Amino acid sequence: QSVLTQPPSVSGAPGQRVTISCTGGSSNIGAGYDVHWYQQLPATAPKLLIYGNINRPSGVPDRFSGSNSGTSASLTITGLQAADEADYFCQSYDSSLGGALFGGGTKLTVL
Amino acid sequence: EVQLVESGGGLVQPGRSLRLSCVVSGFAFHDYAMHWVRQAPGKGLEWVASLSWNSGSKRYADSVKGRFTISRDNAKNSLYLQLDSLRPEDAALYFCAKDTGEIIAPSDAFDFWGQGTVVTVSS
Repeated sequence: QSVLTQPPSVSGAPGQRVTISCTGGSSNIGAGYDVHWYQQLPATAPKLLIYGNINRPSGVPDRFSGSNSGTSASLTITGLQAADEADYFCQSYDSSLGGALFGGGTKLTVL
Repeated sequence: EVQLVESGGGLVQPGRSLRLSCVVSGFAFHDYAMHWVRQAPGKGLEWVASLSWNSGSKRYADSVKGRFTISRDNAKNSLYLQLDSLRPEDAALYFCAKDTGEIIAPSDAFDFWGQGTVVTVSS
């Protein structure tokens, strides 16, 4: 099934840790294709946050980390800050679609 | 500094055409694959099309296949998207994005994005 499923929303207090899941299937994450994560602040373009499942581009704080297992991937944010309030999208490749596949996005609210 | 600037969006009637452009700077455009991604109002991201560094390989989402055409002019550091037979469901903010590699590889991410150009389809 060519879908990446994310929870619509997550929340946490400043300083806490939150995890956003991304569940796929045998034609994408389960097939071993890399997962990437993007952060989209309000009214801005998406920004690459994690690539290749676990790697951070230069300038991304180590409070952001990625992992994956089987048909799922996760983005974990520790030491939550107000500035982290944004939409987060996972992305992988889907062999059935023959192109990139994005998750539906998760809105992070910092309480 | 890497910059991608989209233009060409606007209000168009269903069935009509539009051509989007993306001019880039700050990196060797001719060395990288490029993509178009769209975002309908209040919705998530949807991959639209991809093009390899030398235009030798193209990919399209099923929702736009046969109606949209991706192209590039490496001499002008420009990426294009021709949108034909537009439908109301094509209305979205269209982003161009840079690939991390030169070919369209399954492992590649989109490491830089433009701010987008808005396409509205309505009669």
